[in-house]
Amino acid sequence: AQTVTQSQPEMSVQEAETVTLSCTYDTSENNYYLFWYKQPPSRQMILVIRQEAYKQQNATENRFSVNFQKAAKSFSLKISDSQLGDTAMYFCAFMSATSGTYKYIFGTGTRLKVLA
Amino acid sequence: GAGVSQSPSNKVTEKGKDVELRCDPISGHTALYWYRQRLGQGLEFLIYFQGNSAPDKSGLPSDRFSAERTGESVSTLTIQRTQQEDSAVYLCASSLDAGALRTQYFGPGTRLTVL
Repeated sequence: AQTVTQSQPEMSVQEAETVTLSCTYDTSENNYYLFWYKQPPSRQMILVIRQEAYKQQNATENRFSVNFQKAAKSFSLKISDSQLGDTAMYFCAFMSATSGTYKYIFGTGTRLKVLA
Repeated sequence: GAGVSQSPSNKVTEKGKDVELRCDPISGHTALYWYRQRLGQGLEFLIYFQGNSAPDKSGLPSDRFSAERTGESVSTLTIQRTQQEDSAVYLCASSLDAGALRTQYFGPGTRLTVL
């Protein structure tokens, strides 16, 4: 069975600094997708970034980038130039597509607080 | 509509009662997803619809849970004979279709409290 582990329940970072959130996963599949979602205190979940497992190049979205290490089954999120609006819960998610159906597994989240 | 809407926003019910949670996806989105988020935990994927069909219902926690979708639009998640462990926020999301690279847009959730 697939699992997703986020080992950092809480983190804090000074505004304008860089922070890295860790995520590891376990799967025997070769074709899958990885995501980072952000859930601000208002509760609405937002997609931050995604990575296709078949792509070697790390995904980047503005200040957000990932370090995808497929052999190590690691998918960390780096936030550069942290802003107060980055304060949120961050969830790592794994998606598999097997036999034409999709399954999503989420980690337990990392609460990030950006300090002024 | 402008985004995914869910109703009610809060629901308090007594143990043993049935509840219905509603999700209105973004217009034109053919895929719809239901998740459960227990306090302090991550999201638990329950079910998704492509059109009005749910290809895999194995994520539903028990046979007390059911979901349906009609007209490729609104979806309802029904929990029968609610238990205290059903207390959680139930999130709905929709996407243009169920493709792996499609962005899911989440609703604000329904907070269910079972007394």
